[in-house]
Amino acid sequence: EVQLVQSGAEVKKPGESLRISCKGSGYSFTSYWISWVRQMPGKGLEWMGRIDPSDSYTNYSPSFQGHVTISADKSISTAYLQWSSLKASDTAMYYCARLTLGTTGYFQHWGQGTLVTVSS
Amino acid sequence: QSVLTQPPSVSGAPGQRVTISCTGSSSNIGAGYDVHWYQQLPGTAPKLLIYGYSNRPSGVPDRFSGSKSGTSASLAITGLQAEDEADYYCQSYDSRLSGSVFGGGTKLTVL
Repeated sequence: EVQLVQSGAEVKKPGESLRISCKGSGYSFTSYWISWVRQMPGKGLEWMGRIDPSDSYTNYSPSFQGHVTISADKSISTAYLQWSSLKASDTAMYYCARLTLGTTGYFQHWGQGTLVTVSS
Repeated sequence: QSVLTQPPSVSGAPGQRVTISCTGSSSNIGAGYDVHWYQQLPGTAPKLLIYGYSNRPSGVPDRFSGSKSGTSASLAITGLQAEDEADYYCQSYDSRLSGSVFGGGTKLTVL
């Protein structure tokens, strides 16, 4: 069974750094791109970017380029989403999702989500 | 402003049929990229409902169907049930942005 298990909820202060994780299991982790998707409170889904775990090649949405970093450690089948300096506007639920059928495909498998709260 | 445009809300009575539209442009749906649909129940992660315009993953009832017309796609739900009350999102690929794009989401209310 394919599973994406994300790290737990985080409460941070503005300016702090954070890295959340997404561990894949039940499939060949290096064979499928992993994307990160943001959902702000009461709002819709926003694609942030993706990574090819086989070589850590990344693509970012222009809206998120420079604000977050996506990485992966294929030795432990885990992808990461990282901030160097959080803002209150980063408060949101973050999902990882596995792309099927290449970079233009769909998200058949999703993590359970990681709630990030940034507040002073 | 989402790249793909969906109506904010639709509603229908139990047993009725509703449709949700998803309008794109020449850099996504109009360029031939597939449209996929997701259902998000309150407090849960999105779930794949339709892929490649009209294909249903195993376990998705055939009450859900998808179609395409030009630069738009549609999700149809027949025989509405209370459990269908959720948010629905379309998704495609955009060549100008070189990435995946979502619609703004449509809240379905079962009256």
